[in-house]
Amino acid sequence: DQQVKQNSPSLSVQEGRISILNCDYTNSMFDYFLWYKKYPAEGPTFLISISSIKDKNEDGRFTVFLNKSAKHLSLHIVPSQPGDSAVYFCAASEVRGGSNYKLTFGKGTLLTVNP
Amino acid sequence: GAGVSQSPRYKVAKRGQDVALRCDPISGHVSLFWYQQALGQGPEFLTYFQNEAQLDKSGLPSDRFFAERPEGSVSTLKIQRTQQEDSAVYLCASTPGRTNTEAFFGQGTRLTVV
Repeated sequence: DQQVKQNSPSLSVQEGRISILNCDYTNSMFDYFLWYKKYPAEGPTFLISISSIKDKNEDGRFTVFLNKSAKHLSLHIVPSQPGDSAVYFCAASEVRGGSNYKLTFGKGTLLTVNP
Repeated sequence: GAGVSQSPRYKVAKRGQDVALRCDPISGHVSLFWYQQALGQGPEFLTYFQNEAQLDKSGLPSDRFFAERPEGSVSTLKIQRTQQEDSAVYLCASTPGRTNTEAFFGQGTRLTVV
């Protein structure tokens, strides 16, 4: 049973436009959420995160929105650039034994930004 | 090195063979994690070390899987009597503290069992 779901396997957008990647979760104990970016033959790279006490976190072109009541988060990339083309993983963790450590990942969304 | 280093990058094993995968975390990082990523899936948690202590091994699929970090730095993931379903990319990650926020991942070891 998948606790973190990314229902869109792929997304294609035009350079300069907004990319919106979505993620849903089922475990109400999750309290910290992260987005990772992965290029082929490389390991995932941390992109941005958000704590459950916030509903928005922004870092440059990247913004993550969290809707706790809907158990939904999204990553917005504005403006999208060809170098953003990669697989994006949504991940979540919960506090266990006083610390967050175990990440639960979605299956990923392949973003393609066309020049 | 500057990042998490894993070796080998690629490993082909015959079914039934034992394999050992190595992870060199970022120097000084307290926490170390192993994840398994099957084709078309996201990474799945295998085990977690805080220094040399293995605090969680709940994700290890079977008793054929064994991980160690004897001196609190380098870690080895060992798979005994490999089976075809073990074919996956094995990812190692480390963090400076005791939480998994902003974990730094290695490039992974792609294991193919034939």
